[in-house]
Amino acid sequence: GNSVTQMEGPVTLSEEAFLTINCTYTATGYPSLFWYVQYPGEGLQLLLKATKADDKGSNKGFEATYRKETTSFHLEKGSVQVSDSAVYFCALIRIMEYGNKLVFGAGTILRVKS
Amino acid sequence: DAGITQSPRHKVTETGTPVTLRCHQTENHRYMYWYRQDPGHGLRLIHYSYGVKDTDKGEVSDGYSVSRSKTEDFLLTLESATSSQTSVYFCAISGPPDRPLQETQYFGPGTRLLVL
Repeated sequence: GNSVTQMEGPVTLSEEAFLTINCTYTATGYPSLFWYVQYPGEGLQLLLKATKADDKGSNKGFEATYRKETTSFHLEKGSVQVSDSAVYFCALIRIMEYGNKLVFGAGTILRVKS
Repeated sequence: DAGITQSPRHKVTETGTPVTLRCHQTENHRYMYWYRQDPGHGLRLIHYSYGVKDTDKGEVSDGYSVSRSKTEDFLLTLESATSSQTSVYFCAISGPPDRPLQETQYFGPGTRLLVL
């Protein structure tokens, strides 16, 4: 079946450090992949996405590349800020008969200290 | 931001009582979803709708029912609340009129439900 595995957190970094959050997936075919971010007390926001192999999604300094060879979609940022503290969810899309379903990883808490 | 509101935002109820959560959208998206968020599980799909009066079950649908009588509203009902249904509930939408097959889902702010 379809599933997503993320690295466990929390991840604690100092401001301006390099960030990597690992995400691997199991799926039939090559589904679109997503990173969502949840700031404290809020709903999920789309951070970036990639729709096919070797695509790179990017937004707000975050990047992730769709790697079909390693079935991975790791999230990276070169220099994190305190405002990046949030929960990050990796997800894939599963096509249903009517509509689509997001399959989420468990989420990774990121804490950035000044 | 997609125009999605959820009500109530916080709810405390007792075991055995019925509870209804409301999701309202102003974007005229075709698809609407209810997810629950629990630590260690990410978000899991409860039910979804692909049109007015058209709904289907997700992976954790036991104990929940839904209704969609008009495009903009999607209701989630806990028929007899249990402590295991204590969670944060999120509504999502997808499929704008000009791109009905768009995959991106947009989420509401969530409803925090505590069942005592």
